[in-house]
Amino acid sequence: DSGVTQTPKHLITATGQRVTLRCSPRSGDLSVYWYQQSLDQGLQFLIQYYNGEERAKGNILERFSAQQFPDLHSELNLSSLELGDSALYFCASSPRQGSTDTQYFGPGTRLTVL
Amino acid sequence: SQKIEQNSEALNIQEGKTATLTCNYTNYSPAYLQWYRQDPGRGPVFLLLIRENEKEKRKERLKVTFDTTLKQSLFHITASQPADSATYLCAFRYTGGFKTIFGAGTRLFVKA
Repeated sequence: DSGVTQTPKHLITATGQRVTLRCSPRSGDLSVYWYQQSLDQGLQFLIQYYNGEERAKGNILERFSAQQFPDLHSELNLSSLELGDSALYFCASSPRQGSTDTQYFGPGTRLTVL
Repeated sequence: SQKIEQNSEALNIQEGKTATLTCNYTNYSPAYLQWYRQDPGRGPVFLLLIRENEKEKRKERLKVTFDTTLKQSLFHITASQPADSATYLCAFRYTGGFKTIFGAGTRLFVKA
């Protein structure tokens, strides 16, 4: 158990809908990262927050947005969902924002768009 | 753009043998590389970090090397066991934009 929690574990929804994925980092960690993992794409970095502020951005679609709240939990919002958005979404946390910080991954949320 | 390449073919080895996995990177010279283990349907778990000036790092049955000339890292598991069967990912943090880049991973199967 990494100490990172993600809810929900599974999410099934229809195209065009909007969903929110939630992540609670390990106690004391200030950075939160979001990743998408699909069969054909591997683990793709989406976005990183550090202590409430956006720090790094990957190939995150404009339909996707995220934020980190004062209590350090984070939410990833996915809107106008498409079939291709079906994937495992992982959240990770680290103590700081340094390049060598170990990232601790949560169990993931499996999103299925029908 | 910065890329990490790992052998997409699965690696099948016999229990007790040494497994060697390869990670090649292009268009960037990272100061460090990280290796993670991922089991099906679960989040990656950090294993080792090696810095560019370390050449080799060990942790129990694991060994990682880092060759900045070849732009390559090798990950070895000695005396492999069926429980080592998993996907192994290498990664680095691109300091130009601070995004983390993962390789696609290599699936390892250790047969008893």
